[in-house]
Amino acid sequence: AQSVTQPDARVTVSEGASLQLRCKYSYSATPYLFWYVQYPRQGLQLLLKYYSGDPVVQGVNSFEAEFSKSNSSFHLQKASVHWSDSAVYFCALSMSTNTGKLTFGDGTVLTVKP
Amino acid sequence: AQTIHQWPVAEIKAVGSPLSLGCTIKGKSSPNLYWYWQATGGTLQQLFYSITVGQVESVVQLNLSASRPKDDQFILSTEKLLLSHSGFYLCAWGDWGLNTLYFGAGTRLSVL
Repeated sequence: AQSVTQPDARVTVSEGASLQLRCKYSYSATPYLFWYVQYPRQGLQLLLKYYSGDPVVQGVNSFEAEFSKSNSSFHLQKASVHWSDSAVYFCALSMSTNTGKLTFGDGTVLTVKP
Repeated sequence: AQTIHQWPVAEIKAVGSPLSLGCTIKGKSSPNLYWYWQATGGTLQQLFYSITVGQVESVVQLNLSASRPKDDQFILSTEKLLLSHSGFYLCAWGDWGLNTLYFGAGTRLSVL
């Protein structure tokens, strides 16, 4: 069975600092991977996705993520965070069927200090 | 562009009372539709999915049911709410050409 682990429940960084949110997955084949962001009391917004090809994918708001098959990881990064980036970030995995089943990690709460 | 609308935005209901949550998608014909549930402070869990009108598949048994009465509408309901039903309910549509889910703004449910 597939699984997604986000080892850091909470991350706090200062505004302007760089950011990495970690995501590890377990799946026998190459998965489809996603990062979603959830702002307070809102739904989920897609940040970026990886299907194949270049392991570094660019997303919205200058976020990027790097897929590593050898490490079974899909870490999210940003060079310089802004206070408005404070939110909950979810990593998710799909097995590419029309059941629409995404397996989500537990999420990482990001707090950006001004 | 596709838009997904969920209603109501929030509900406070008593244990044992009925519930109906709705989701409508515009700008996408014959979408795949999904209901997800998020316990307070928790991760997301798929509840139902529907590929076509009148067909709904259950993924997790939570004493909830879902229906798809129209191509653009997905309804989540129960006749008797439990305390454990509290949480955040998210509707989503899937673009399987891109293998991506797009979520609505959600409905926050508090069962007291």
